[in-house]
Amino acid sequence: ETGVTQSPTHLIKTRGQQVTLRCSSQSGHNTVSWYQQALGQGPQFIFQYYREEENGRGNFPPRFSGLQFPNYSSELNVNALELDDSALYLCASSPIDVASHEQYFGPGTRLTVT
Amino acid sequence: GNSVTQMEGPVTLSEEAFLTINCTYTATGYPSLFWYVQYPGEGLQLLLKATKADDKGSNKGFEATYRKETTSFHLEKGSVQVSDSAVYFCALSDSTGGSYIPTFGRGTSLIVHP
Repeated sequence: ETGVTQSPTHLIKTRGQQVTLRCSSQSGHNTVSWYQQALGQGPQFIFQYYREEENGRGNFPPRFSGLQFPNYSSELNVNALELDDSALYLCASSPIDVASHEQYFGPGTRLTVT
Repeated sequence: GNSVTQMEGPVTLSEEAFLTINCTYTATGYPSLFWYVQYPGEGLQLLLKATKADDKGSNKGFEATYRKETTSFHLEKGSVQVSDSAVYFCALSDSTGGSYIPTFGRGTSLIVHP
């Protein structure tokens, strides 16, 4: 069984640029969630996708957007990058039909904005 | 809204010492509760979970009991090892209008010395 994978591993961008991060969910999982984890902090929920539709959103501005594809993989797009966007971005998949709705995390993408 | 509060770290212990990491929560519904562990440079891994009051989650010698009366989910281990050094996150997941929005604590760093 393949786990959650993310690409790229590391990324350096300049303020004002746009970035796309990618995630492949674990086999059999139909839900993908994205998180931002600043250094020394817990993951902050950005949004969740279920069967290609946004299924919940945290307190992030509209320049954070996403997509989920028919194979349940997902993208996180961030426009007009700001210095505070520097963080580890985590993707997690889960089988939403399971009552416990536990999350299975990928290794993350480390984004640095200069 | 939902929230999770964890004890401040770092927690520093000698090998074979007893571990407790406190976690309390606030939730409007009946959440599932989780402990995740994050090793340096990696994503989060599910350590254990409990889905209803009085449930005890356990894994790899770690235990936590879902206490509804005290809204707590404290993590314990009888004898820690150096390899347990990591950051531990308490989390809850609650169904709100069909969306499972997870909330994480800030994390507690555990350092175990030989």
